[in-house]
Amino acid sequence: GAVVSQHPSRVICKSGTSVKIECRSLDFQATTMFWYRQFPKQSLMLMATSNEGSKATYEQGVEKDKFLINHASLTLSTLTVTSAHPEDSSFYICSAPGHSSVDYTFGSGTRLTVV
Amino acid sequence: QKEVEQNSGPLSVPEGAIASLNCTYSDRVSQSFFWYRQYSGKSPELIMSIYSNGDKEDGRFTAQLNKASQYVSLLIRDSQPSDSATYLCAVNAGNNRKLIWGLGTSLGVNP
Repeated sequence: GAVVSQHPSRVICKSGTSVKIECRSLDFQATTMFWYRQFPKQSLMLMATSNEGSKATYEQGVEKDKFLINHASLTLSTLTVTSAHPEDSSFYICSAPGHSSVDYTFGSGTRLTVV
Repeated sequence: QKEVEQNSGPLSVPEGAIASLNCTYSDRVSQSFFWYRQYSGKSPELIMSIYSNGDKEDGRFTAQLNKASQYVSLLIRDSQPSDSATYLCAVNAGNNRKLIWGLGTSLGVNP
């Protein structure tokens, strides 16, 4: 089946630095990628939707200058957390919708810890 | 605002029992409904999807959808300790493929 490879799985960074998270679709083309953030014991919160070749669409309250999303090819979407702070520590997950209306492929998630 | 609501639990059932998980949604035009299982520190994994009223069975799992009452449920028969996880209900209400997620119900199956 379809696979979305997400890297890194875990990252610890210092406050003020930037971190890039990659999601790569294997064996299929992902024209759209959903980026989620999940805090402990909370549900998935959609941050933004990236579309290949166009600007990402951000959900209300998500700072587009802080969470930079790039979807430059049909197989790669990236999320860069800029000037990270401890409150950005979270579990970040990407998800690509498939051809059928019920088909979604999730990356394995990235645990970001900002110290 | 579109909402999906679940009882956060925790729900505790003995091994071999039936676990019943419920979810309600606010948007009447919702089209597709999903149950995902999420283990701690992992991404969600799809258990069932359903889009027609009635029951849909897959192994030990049965999803039930009632659009008139705007609820969707998941029954887990012969619950196993490995079923202990958080179960997330998600709803797709439009053509943009965005999912709206509930907070999840924590299920513990006791040996």
